[in-house]
Amino acid sequence: DAKTTQPPSMDCAEGRAANLPCNHSTISGNEYVYWYRQIHSQGPQYIIHGLKNNETNEMASLIITEDRKSSTLILPHATLRDTAVYYCIVRVQARRALTFGSGTRLQVQP
Amino acid sequence: GAVVSQHPSWVICKSGTSVKIECRSLDFQATTMFWYRQFPKQSLMLMATSNEGSKATYEQGVEKDKFLINHASLTLSTLTVTSAHPEDSSFYICSAVRDRNTEAFFGQGTRLTVV
Repeated sequence: DAKTTQPPSMDCAEGRAANLPCNHSTISGNEYVYWYRQIHSQGPQYIIHGLKNNETNEMASLIITEDRKSSTLILPHATLRDTAVYYCIVRVQARRALTFGSGTRLQVQP
Repeated sequence: GAVVSQHPSWVICKSGTSVKIECRSLDFQATTMFWYRQFPKQSLMLMATSNEGSKATYEQGVEKDKFLINHASLTLSTLTVTSAHPEDSSFYICSAVRDRNTEAFFGQGTRLTVV
């Protein structure tokens, strides 16, 4: 699975959009971009995933660049409950384990 | 989304004893489950892959005789930490994939403290 690079930490004001970047310049054509988050002392929570097209669900939007070498997770209206570590993971769709990097620690400020 | 349940959420045990952690997929069948370990301020590290009806596959550096994994049914995998020592104290998390083309779902984790 391709390696990803994320900033170690970010701050965001409550109610504002949180934009979390991820670089995956070595991504292969059959690899998807997955985003998970981990709130303190809990198991990771699935957020969203995509291959080429931008994706949106009730939690977030995923913007993938045309060359697929980077992506951005957007939380449209961040709340204090969105404070967590966000992991960007690139992998093929298969019944295999996810490989977690260091992630981005997002702190939503009141 | 699909639900994966872990039990117990936390456990304290004495050094030298064994502890069993259960991971259940509540609303789907999981032929494959994964066990992770997470130390404070670190990321999740894969310990082993558990396949229903067959032996688990362990990652390099993980002792299979110390961390016993049993995947006896399509909805249950167990991790037993044998002869636990204080250095085994950690946050243990299981994960299950419903089928080939879906996301993985995670349990809430088990915090093990060995005293």
